[in-house]
Amino acid sequence: NAGVTQTPKFQVLKTGQSMTLQCAQDMNHNSMYWYRQDPGMGLRLIYYSASEGTTDKGEVPNGYNVSRLNKREFSLRLESAAPSQTSVYFCASSDTGFTTANQPQHFGDGTRLSIL
Amino acid sequence: SQKIEQNSEALNIQEGKTATLTCNYTNYSPAYLQWYRQDPGRGPVFLLLIRENEKEKRKERLKVTFDTTLKQSLFHITASQPADSATYLCAYDTGGFKTIFGAGTRLFVKA
Repeated sequence: NAGVTQTPKFQVLKTGQSMTLQCAQDMNHNSMYWYRQDPGMGLRLIYYSASEGTTDKGEVPNGYNVSRLNKREFSLRLESAAPSQTSVYFCASSDTGFTTANQPQHFGDGTRLSIL
Repeated sequence: SQKIEQNSEALNIQEGKTATLTCNYTNYSPAYLQWYRQDPGRGPVFLLLIRENEKEKRKERLKVTFDTTLKQSLFHITASQPADSATYLCAYDTGGFKTIFGAGTRLFVKA
């Protein structure tokens, strides 16, 4: 099983450029998430999709948009990249039981994004 | 605001010893705590989940405790090995799809 697959693995952008980070999961999970991870900080939630057809803002949504394309795929778009968005971006998925609190998340290996 | 604190200093221990990592949380009383392992250049991998009424949970050489009075979880690796070297993350979910992660503690196990 591939689990959660993210593309690309590395990307360098210039300020103002746009790009879309792709994420796909093959575990038939309902919920998907986008996080960013910066040195010395915990993973911070950008957006999440509780189920196919829904998306909601997390802790740090400014400058980003998302699309839940289908149950498998959840993409993250930077419309006009800024140096402050230099980070490692992780996609995750989880099953959804009675509560999400007892559902572990499955992560991809990240996209390392540098914005010059 | 809800917050998780983990020791930012790396923990260095000798092979065969027990490693103990600490996770403290504030401004919330989670019903569950999760622990993840993250290797350099990789995404976090789920290890263990403990419920508030479990107090202690074990999986092979791993043990997690959950003290709701102290608002603290301890993560132990017994008989540690160099392959256990990684960053360990503590997390809790508010139940509303928003998980709060600590910044992690880096563990180095020397042979």
